[in-house]
Amino acid sequence: TQLLEQSPQFLSIQEGENLTVYCNSSSVFSSLQWYRQEPGEGPVLLVTVVTGGEVKKLKRLTFQFGDARKDSSLHITAAQPGDTGLYLCAGALSDYKLSFGAGTTVTVRA
Amino acid sequence: DAGITQSPRHKVTETGTPVTLRCHQTENHRYMYWYRQDPGHGLRLIHYSYGVKDTDKGEVSDGYSVSRSKTEDFLLTLESATSSQTSVYFCAISDGVGTEAFFGQGTRLTVV
Repeated sequence: TQLLEQSPQFLSIQEGENLTVYCNSSSVFSSLQWYRQEPGEGPVLLVTVVTGGEVKKLKRLTFQFGDARKDSSLHITAAQPGDTGLYLCAGALSDYKLSFGAGTTVTVRA
Repeated sequence: DAGITQSPRHKVTETGTPVTLRCHQTENHRYMYWYRQDPGHGLRLIHYSYGVKDTDKGEVSDGYSVSRSKTEDFLLTLESATSSQTSVYFCAISDGVGTEAFFGQGTRLTVV
């Protein structure tokens, strides 16, 4: 069982639609990160959220950190084919471990 | 791009043989991590290091060992490779807990 549970595992939508990816845990994190990974590459950081209730926007991407700092969501507005990829959430605990969720594979069809 | 290099990038090995993967960084980051990535499991932490000669186990450490004798190098060893260790292995570095992790390009290991 992974520390961070992501849902859904797969998401396929049409260009222009919105989507939301969830990341949940029973643990409290001091910060939580979202990464995006493309085939054949390593993950690349999108955002770090630190404060409970924090909302960060990155163009069409909106990230939210839960008030209790146990969960987070990623919302993409008007998705484009370039948003296709594997989205991963990650959290660090006090013992320096950086743990990842299983990921959500997003496919945006043109 | 962060200076992090994994070698080799691809390897095919036979069951029962020892294998060592190398991660080299030029960023002087304190923390280094080894992950394996398999379909449906995302990235699973194998071992990590929080300083020279300071290492600890992750979620899936059985069958793996690590060493860090210098800040820049973090080695992952499979003492006796098994088919279940066929995977893509990623090394990552970071400067602090909760700060951005930079990943290498990955090593695709096949155990036959």
